[in-house]
Amino acid sequence: ETGVTQTPRHLVMGMTNKKSLKCEQHLGHNAMYWYKQSAKKPLELMFVYNFKEQTENNSVPSRFSPECPNSSHLFLHLHTLQPEDSALYLCASSQWKEGATTDTQYFGPGTRLTVL
Amino acid sequence: AQSVAQPEDQVNVAEGNPLTVKCTYSVSGNPYLFWYVQYPNRGLQFLLKYITGDNLVKGSYGFEAEFNKSQTSFHLKKPSALVSDSALYFCAVRDIGRGRRALTFGSGTRLQVQP
Repeated sequence: ETGVTQTPRHLVMGMTNKKSLKCEQHLGHNAMYWYKQSAKKPLELMFVYNFKEQTENNSVPSRFSPECPNSSHLFLHLHTLQPEDSALYLCASSQWKEGATTDTQYFGPGTRLTVL
Repeated sequence: AQSVAQPEDQVNVAEGNPLTVKCTYSVSGNPYLFWYVQYPNRGLQFLLKYITGDNLVKGSYGFEAEFNKSQTSFHLKKPSALVSDSALYFCAVRDIGRGRRALTFGSGTRLQVQP
């Protein structure tokens, strides 16, 4: 595997289900991100992790719960979702360097989530 | 707050003709600017970025972008379009003056290249 991988690629779930999205980066990066891409809306940043610590939470509802056990893996745990949460969820990673903000984010293929 | 505008929802161009996809930005400090492309059912692929230096940035697949500070623009260009360039293009900005890592994306421009 190369780059950033995401599983599953497609997920259909009911409003009462609990599921998890998985992201893995094979680039040796130290920062990982979750973005939400909805139809007709710009990409929205959800969470940022650096060295496994959450550095940003962009006012995301608590029904979305991120987990970053190490710098290569990122999860998004989902529970009690709403139909409006249906979207493409994109994971990205980048390499942060001390004192520099020139890093480039590399994206995975996304998980297409449908909430019934 | 930082923001990005892509004024055109769709750009149509004939194969072989030059293409331009427009982007303007608003930041409080100096911007880092990025272009990404998204093909159907795929994630975003990095094309190029402007950090500092030469205002003309060259990137992947023959694309380039011109940074214009006075017009706060970062238009994406290619001298000769290919049908395979048809995709969704996103401009993004990082406002380094705010010290944030996150990117703010534009709404995207769909490029359609006709054979």
